[in-house]
Amino acid sequence: SQKIEQNSEALNIQEGKTATLTCNYTNYSPAYLQWYRQDPGRGPVFLLLIRENEKEKRKERLKVTFDTTLKQSLFHITASQPADSATYLCALTTGGGNKLTFGTGTQLKVEL
Amino acid sequence: GAVVSQHPSRVICKSGTSVKIECRSLDFQATTMFWYRQFPKQSLMLMATSNEGSKATYEQGVEKDKFLINHASLTLSTLTVTSAHPEDSSFYICSASFRGGTQTQYFGPGTRLLVL
Repeated sequence: SQKIEQNSEALNIQEGKTATLTCNYTNYSPAYLQWYRQDPGRGPVFLLLIRENEKEKRKERLKVTFDTTLKQSLFHITASQPADSATYLCALTTGGGNKLTFGTGTQLKVEL
Repeated sequence: GAVVSQHPSRVICKSGTSVKIECRSLDFQATTMFWYRQFPKQSLMLMATSNEGSKATYEQGVEKDKFLINHASLTLSTLTVTSAHPEDSSFYICSASFRGGTQTQYFGPGTRLLVL
């Protein structure tokens, strides 16, 4: 069966450290993989998109890697801040359409 | 840019009534809009995809007669929950994408529905 798995346990890190979140998928061949941020009671906000032929993408303090052999994406936030505390969702797009399938999300807490 | 709004943000209704939720793209034309439902501590589950001027495509297990979707213009889609029951209580979120854009979807702030 198809699965998109993210760490279900909350990730607690200290301010200034690098947070690394994992997204693993099975039985998908995604054309794109995206990362979104969701705050409580709010809709997701787009962060980064990476294509199947790309290995790495960066945007300011954010970095995403995409390994289609391992079927895994890693999402890094460097120099983390308390304001980065949120739930981070990975989402896959497959085929020619633009339908997204979301992972379960990982809650990140950045402590002072 | 790419702002999506939803109205209302919260709604409480009695069991058996119908509730309409609006989703608007404020600064772009949304060729496709999506409706999701999210239960507490769970991820977003796609309910349906709607393209302007055509019938919505519903995901497996979603009753199209219960969740009526209308996408009458390039900036507005509505979701009507008909004969709502307590189990329909959830967080409903819409998103929009536009032709020629990337695969990115732009999400609204969500609507919290509570059916008593």
